[in-house]
Amino acid sequence: ETGVTQTPRHLVMGMTNKKSLKCEQHLGHNAMYWYKQSAKKPLELMFVYNFKEQTENNSVPSRFSPECPNSSHLFLHLHTLQPEDSALYLCASSQVLSYEQYFGPGTRLTVT
Amino acid sequence: AQSVTQLDSQVPVFEEAPVELRCNYSSSVSVYLFWYVQYPNQGLQLLLKYLSGSTLVKGINGFEAEFNKSQTSFHLRKPSVHISDTAEYFCAVSDHQGGSEKLVFGKGTKLTVNP
Repeated sequence: ETGVTQTPRHLVMGMTNKKSLKCEQHLGHNAMYWYKQSAKKPLELMFVYNFKEQTENNSVPSRFSPECPNSSHLFLHLHTLQPEDSALYLCASSQVLSYEQYFGPGTRLTVT
Repeated sequence: AQSVTQLDSQVPVFEEAPVELRCNYSSSVSVYLFWYVQYPNQGLQLLLKYLSGSTLVKGINGFEAEFNKSQTSFHLRKPSVHISDTAEYFCAVSDHQGGSEKLVFGKGTKLTVNP
């Protein structure tokens, strides 16, 4: 595997389900990001982790819970989601203090 | 607070025609500027970036952009587009304050290249 990978690529879940999104980077980076991409809205930064420590939580509802066990892996745990949470969730990585972010292909989430 | 405005949500052009995708930003401090491209069913890929130095920046796939501080613009151009350039293009800005690497993105411009 190369670059930034995300699994699953597609996910359909009910409002009462619990699921997790996984991101893995193979670039030796030490910063990782979660973004939400909704139709007709700008890309929204959700969380930032530098050296496994969360440095940014952009007022994200608590039904989204990130986890960064090491610099290569990032998870987004989902529970009790709402239909408006349906979106493409993108993971990215970079070197700390670098502005060049590398993105994964995203997970297309549909909440029913 | 920073913001990015991409003036055109959709731009249709014919193959081999020139194209310009417009981007304006607002920020009270000096900025770094970026263009990313997103092909269907893929993540974003960095096209080019302006950090300092020459205001004309060349990127991948024949794209270039010019930083204009007085007009707070960073328009993306390509002299002759190909069908394969059909994608969504995002302009982004960072004010690089306090060691933060946060990017603020525009809403994107969908470029459609027709034969």
